Amino acid sequence: GDSVTQMEGPVTLSEEAFLTINCTYTATGYPSLFWYVQYPGEGLQLLLKATKADDKGSNKGFEATYRKETTSFHLEKGSVQVSDSAVYFCALMGGYNKLIFGAGTRLAVHP
Amino acid sequence: SAVISQKPSRDICQRGTSLTIQCQVDSQVTMMFWYRQQPGQSLTLIATANQGSEATYESGFVIDKFPISRPNLTFSTLTVSNMSPEDSSIYLCSVDRGSEAFFGQGTRLTVV
Repeated sequence: GDSVTQMEGPVTLSEEAFLTINCTYTATGYPSLFWYVQYPGEGLQLLLKATKADDKGSNKGFEATYRKETTSFHLEKGSVQVSDSAVYFCALMGGYNKLIFGAGTRLAVHP
Repeated sequence: SAVISQKPSRDICQRGTSLTIQCQVDSQVTMMFWYRQQPGQSLTLIATANQGSEATYESGFVIDKFPISRPNLTFSTLTVSNMSPEDSSIYLCSVDRGSEAFFGQGTRLTVV
């Protein structure tokens, strides 16, 4: 069945460092792909999405490109801030619009 | 976008009791989804609720434990029955619109 594999955390970075969180997927067809973010004590928010191969989703300085050939959707940011500290979830939308989530990656950014 | 109101936002319950979580959406939707997020874990789909039919449960979840109602196109409830400490989780409802999913703020349940 469909699945999402996400790099394990926690990831600890200094402010202004470069961030990559790896995400790969297994799916039949070409699902839409998402990154969600969960800030401490808050609900789940959509960070960015891509609906077809080679699409690049971007928001708040974060980017991810839908790579069909490597079945990947890695999240990147050129310069992280303390306020980016959160848990990040990669997800795909499978059949019947069900979301399948990766395990989540906790990011801690220190000043 | 979609505005989803979920309540209660949190609760502490005694084992053996039941809790009903409500989810209200600001406009009509065909499908509503219920997810569980166990402590430190990812989100797992419990069931999909369609108006006018029985909910469809994912593997590992049963109707007796998690009965769901869907009386109209903007509202759903999830009941966590006969609770045990293992049910301590965040429960979230979700809707999709335009191939994008929106989530409520979640219900943080602690069973003691």
